[in-house]
Amino acid sequence: AQKITQTQPGMFVQEKEAVTLDCTYDTSDQSYGLFWYKQPSSGEMIFLIYQGSYDEQNATEGRYSLNFQKARKSANLVISASQLGDSAMYFCAMRVSYGNNRLAFGKGNQVVVIP
Amino acid sequence: DTGVSQDPRHKITKRGQNVTFRCDPISEHNRLYWYRQTLGQGPEFLTYFQNEAQLEKSRLLSDRFSAERPKGSFSTLEIQRTEQGDSAMYLCASSLESVRLGGYTFGSGTRLTVV
Repeated sequence: AQKITQTQPGMFVQEKEAVTLDCTYDTSDQSYGLFWYKQPSSGEMIFLIYQGSYDEQNATEGRYSLNFQKARKSANLVISASQLGDSAMYFCAMRVSYGNNRLAFGKGNQVVVIP
Repeated sequence: DTGVSQDPRHKITKRGQNVTFRCDPISEHNRLYWYRQTLGQGPEFLTYFQNEAQLEKSRLLSDRFSAERPKGSFSTLEIQRTEQGDSAMYLCASSLESVRLGGYTFGSGTRLTVV
């Protein structure tokens, strides 16, 4: 079974600063995908960034980048130049590349951006 | 097509009552997933459909839960004889069969409160 671990307590970050959210995962599969989602208080899950297990380059999407260290089984999210609208819960998730493609989620990290 | 729609957004029900939620996926997506999210946790997989066929159910999905996707379009999730432990956010997501990158689209969820 796949397992995602997010253990950081809630984080406060100053506006315009960068923040790193930790995610470690456990799987015996060689082919898998890693996702980060943002969940604001309104409840919807918003896709941020994806990293495939065979991707050699770290994924980047605008202000989001993923620090993928395959040997350490970590997939940390870096948010640069934080904005007030970044205040939300952030979830790391993993999908194995076979079967039903369902996602296994971590418990999430709470981020509060302060002006 | 404006994304995945879920109805209702909020539902308060008395213990023992039956409730039904609806999810309208993105029209060209043939896969549909239901997740449950309790307070302070990440979403947990409940079940998924490929077209109208329900292909997998989690052990979380007790006999009181039933999901359908007639004609492979919208889906309903029914909970019979609700219990207080059923209080949670129920999220629906859809995707194409071949999921790449951020190919899952989530709805805003239905928040169920059982009193």
